[in-house]
This record gives sequence, structure tokens and C-alpha cells, in this order.
Amino acid sequence: DGGITQSPKYLFRKEGQNVTLSCEQNLNHDAMYWYRQDPGQGLRLIYYSQIVNDFQKGDIAEGYSVSREKKESFPLTVTSAQKNPTAFYLCASSADRGREQYFGPGTRLTVT
Amino acid sequence: GESVGLHLPTLSVQEGDNSIINCAYSNSASDYFIWYKQESGKGPQFIIDIRSNMDKRQGQRVTVLLNKTVKHLSLQIAATQPGDSAVYFCAENPFTGANSKLTFGKGITLSVRP
Repeated sequence: DGGITQSPKYLFRKEGQNVTLSCEQNLNHDAMYWYRQDPGQGLRLIYYSQIVNDFQKGDIAEGYSVSREKKESFPLTVTSAQKNPTAFYLCASSADRGREQYFGPGTRLTVT
Repeated sequence: GESVGLHLPTLSVQEGDNSIINCAYSNSASDYFIWYKQESGKGPQFIIDIRSNMDKRQGQRVTVLLNKTVKHLSLQIAATQPGDSAVYFCAENPFTGANSKLTFGKGITLSVRP
């Protein structure tokens, strides 16, 4: 069954702690993306990767970091430098940049 | 569950009626457009796409219309059902080459009245 998985679905952390969100895909897609979604707003791009070992900052990269060591995996670390980390985080992948993206189920991160 | 529809525009329709969801896009150079559906607490799902060399494309119970003159995209849902209640996003690809990636609208909440 092909698709994108994100884990965990809900994540709780204390302020000042780094936390890593998992994203795995078995669609053999080259491109992967991380978005942040806040109530009443559209999807905002955090980071994207077009190929293994390469990634670029999106519109709101400050306070986040990523790695792309394997084609299937694109983990996102929310660092303590992110001022307002509580949000719904979505991972996506696509076969080609700028084309249809397939989304995972999302991770709801709450930092207190 | 997750509520992504707070403060978004809302379209309320009667079950069985047709729905029309509109989107104004920003870049006249965009060559590809997508509609996504997002149910509460879930990731967006692809509904239908259209390229700029087309004016209309039909899927199962859905039709997308593209008016490049006024930079307007619409999604028509026939015989709207309760399961269609969700937030709907349009996305465009306004960039080319190495910068090519999707830009998403804020979304519209569709509420279906029984």
C-alpha cells in the first residue's frame, strides 16, 4: 500500500526542547516537502528537498532543520529557536517539482 | 479533532445541490493548478488538476474551470453530499525551472446542510 506516513499523530513537548517529526514515503518520489498549517491560514512551506542529500529553505525555515539521507525519509526537527512551534505539520512528496503533491496525515505538535 | 477551518470563508450548501468553490490565483504565468480537499485532522487529498492549456476538466462529480483572462479557478461539485464537508484549497505553480513549486491558497470551508 503506497503512501506517506507521518509519526506520531500527536506530539507534546516542553518549551526549550528540540523535537523531530518523522516522514516516510514509499512512492519513489524524488521531491519531499514540509509545511506548517495554522488555523485560518494556508499551507506555509518550511523546507523542501528535490533529491537525496540536498534541501532548500522555504518561506518559514527559521527555527527548523531537516535532513535527506535517504530517498524515502525527510525528518523535520523543530528546534528551541522556533518562537511559536505549536502547529499542525504536514509532509508531502511529488514525482516532480511543481506538480501534484501527495500529503501525509500530519503531526499535531503542542509545545507548552 | 483538528480544526483548520477557523476564520476561513465558509460556503454553506444544501445536500443534493451543486457547489461552486472559487479561487483567485496570483500569477498569470502559472501553468498548473490543483484542487485539494482537507477533512478535519487529516492531510490534504488531491481532487483534480488542470493545466493552463485547458479551460475545463471533469472528474467524478467534480469539474474544474480555469479562466486565465481574470486569473480565476473554480471547483464545481455535483450533488453535494455530507462527506464533501471539508476545507478546499487551490494551488498554483507560479514558478518555472529550478524554482518550480506549488503555492497554496488559504482555503474555503464547505459546509453541507442535511
